[in-house]
Amino acid sequence: AAGVIQSPRHLIKEKRETATLKCYPIPRHDTVYWYQQGPGQDPQFLISFYEKMQSDKGSIPDRFSAQQFSDYHSELNMSSLELGDSALYFCASSFDRSYEQYFGPGTRLTVT
Amino acid sequence: AQSVTQLDSHVSVSEGTPVLLRCNYSSSYSPSLFWYVQHPNKGLQLLLKYTSAATLVKGINGFEAEFKKSETSFHLTKPSAHMSDAAEYFCVVSDRNGYNKLIFGAGTRLAVHP
Repeated sequence: AAGVIQSPRHLIKEKRETATLKCYPIPRHDTVYWYQQGPGQDPQFLISFYEKMQSDKGSIPDRFSAQQFSDYHSELNMSSLELGDSALYFCASSFDRSYEQYFGPGTRLTVT
Repeated sequence: AQSVTQLDSHVSVSEGTPVLLRCNYSSSYSPSLFWYVQHPNKGLQLLLKYTSAATLVKGINGFEAEFKKSETSFHLTKPSAHMSDAAEYFCVVSDRNGYNKLIFGAGTRLAVHP
């Protein structure tokens, strides 16, 4: 069965650079969630989209923005990167905002 | 607001002995609760979920959890630990007021010794 795809899987950036993470949900899923997991921490909700509109917002820095496109894939744009942005970024998808979310493998971002 | 508290940050067991990972929840309504497992440098895998059906929930790899409303608990158990069970376990609640975003507990690291 198709799963959630995230790209890239690993990304290394320098401070003050920009990064773009991509998430491709399971086919027919219309809801996407982004989570950030810092080293040794639990995942924290960043932002979600339902039917291409932002549905909820968590502890996402103003330097970050995200959107969901017409094909339901989502991109997380991160600017002015800081060392503290180094983390594992998970995307999850569901159908119709269901609690049953399916997680992608994550993108490991390292900021040097 | 919804929240979960995992009572142990680390649990260590011997292979073949029972596993108990404790989780208490706080919710203003009947919650949807989950346990996820994360192996080192891996993604999140759903072990099991409770969604107001049977209070005893069976998951993958022999794990199960019991929803106890009177105790606001959702403890994860397994009769016999295997070396491959060593991982980080997260108790999770969904926030119905937040389009079902997931709220994670701090995690319990399970170590399994030979």
